[in-house]
Amino acid sequence: KNEVEQSPQNLTAQEGEFITINCSYSVGISALHWLQQHPGGGIVSLFMLSSGKKKHGRLIATINIQEKHSSLHITASHPRDSAVYICAAPSHPSNSGYALNFGKGTSLLVTP
Amino acid sequence: NAGVMQNPRHLVRRRGQEARLRCSPMKGHSHVYWYRQLPEEGLKFMVYLQKENIIDESGMPKERFSAEFPKEGPSILRIQQVVRGDSAAYFCASSQQRNTEAFFGQGTRLTVV
Repeated sequence: KNEVEQSPQNLTAQEGEFITINCSYSVGISALHWLQQHPGGGIVSLFMLSSGKKKHGRLIATINIQEKHSSLHITASHPRDSAVYICAAPSHPSNSGYALNFGKGTSLLVTP
Repeated sequence: NAGVMQNPRHLVRRRGQEARLRCSPMKGHSHVYWYRQLPEEGLKFMVYLQKENIIDESGMPKERFSAEFPKEGPSILRIQQVVRGDSAAYFCASSQQRNTEAFFGQGTRLTVV
């Protein structure tokens, strides 16, 4: 089983701050996922990445396959970024798709 | 394209009843995943289905739970003889292919009383 660890568990930031959330996993994988869960409960897939870096708006995700580590960065944070951010990895190296093991999530609160 | 549709959004069942949760994938998507989120806990993978086939059910409880994705119609997650511990949010996601981006539904919140 792929153990997925996230840090920090909770994060409070002021609007405009640069935010980093970290994720490590125990088993080599084909792709790592970052998800966002809104206060209302809905889930959005933010990134699926297998190497290097991806950027979408103010969100940047990076992955280091050798170190089994990924980071999610939010630049110029805004209160609407407040949500739980979840890292997930396939349960087995040969698995792909969305049969995933999930981290416990990072609860982010951005204050004005 | 209306996105992944789950219904009902909220479901209340008495202990011992059956719960049926439906997931209609996005148009053109033939891969469906179900997840469970227990109160104050993280998401857990339950089952992965492709039209008419169960691909991976490693996360499904051994008893009372079953899932199907028929040729026509939505995917169904069925929980027989529900117990209080089944109270959770159940999410489904769909993707076009195995390794392509998946889109999540809004979830069904099951409460067992």
